Amino acid sequence: EAGVTQSPTHLIKTRGQQATLRCSPISGHTSVYWYQQALGLGLQFLLWYDEGEERNRGNFPPRFSGRQFPNYSSELNVNALELEDSALYLCASSMTPYYSSYNSPLHFGNGTRLTVT
Amino acid sequence: AQKITQTQPGMFVQEKEAVTLDCTYDTSDQSYGLFWYKQPSSGEMIFLIYQGSYDEQNATEGRYSLNFQKARKSANLVISASQLGDSAMYFCAMRGVEYGNKLVFGAGTILRVKS
Repeated sequence: EAGVTQSPTHLIKTRGQQATLRCSPISGHTSVYWYQQALGLGLQFLLWYDEGEERNRGNFPPRFSGRQFPNYSSELNVNALELEDSALYLCASSMTPYYSSYNSPLHFGNGTRLTVT
Repeated sequence: AQKITQTQPGMFVQEKEAVTLDCTYDTSDQSYGLFWYKQPSSGEMIFLIYQGSYDEQNATEGRYSLNFQKARKSANLVISASQLGDSAMYFCAMRGVEYGNKLVFGAGTILRVKS
């Protein structure tokens, strides 16, 4: 069974540009989560999509946005990039509906390392 | 508020010995899940073990076991017979209804296994 796949592996952008990160969940998983792991800041929750709907959003500005497609894959967009957006962006998936998910582990991809210069 | 505390920034253990990584949590939820993840230097997050708040038995998965003490709100990870490949960052995490079931992580503990 294929795991969570993320692309690209590395992304280098200039301040002010836009970045698009992509994620394909494990087959059969309907929920997709995005996390940011910046140096020294730990893992910060960004967004959660389930069945195409945004279920929860972390404390990030609106220039961080995303969507989930009918095939459950997801895209994270970061507009007007700032230097502090440089981080490892991790996508995860799970198969349990959002309303009963507290006992369901997330399965993570290998991440996209975004560097903003 | 949900909060996960990992008080050990770094730990060393001798190969083949056991090691305990500490985790305490704070929540007002009655139903919640506790998780441990391993993150090697390559960056991927590997799910290790799960413990539910209503589970009376401590969870075990191979060399990993979770020492769950609900009254003390602690969920320590025990790794038995440490191997060099266990060197990594370890994160304790929690999910609960109060904050929308999102997975909340502690700051992590870096484990180094010495030969």
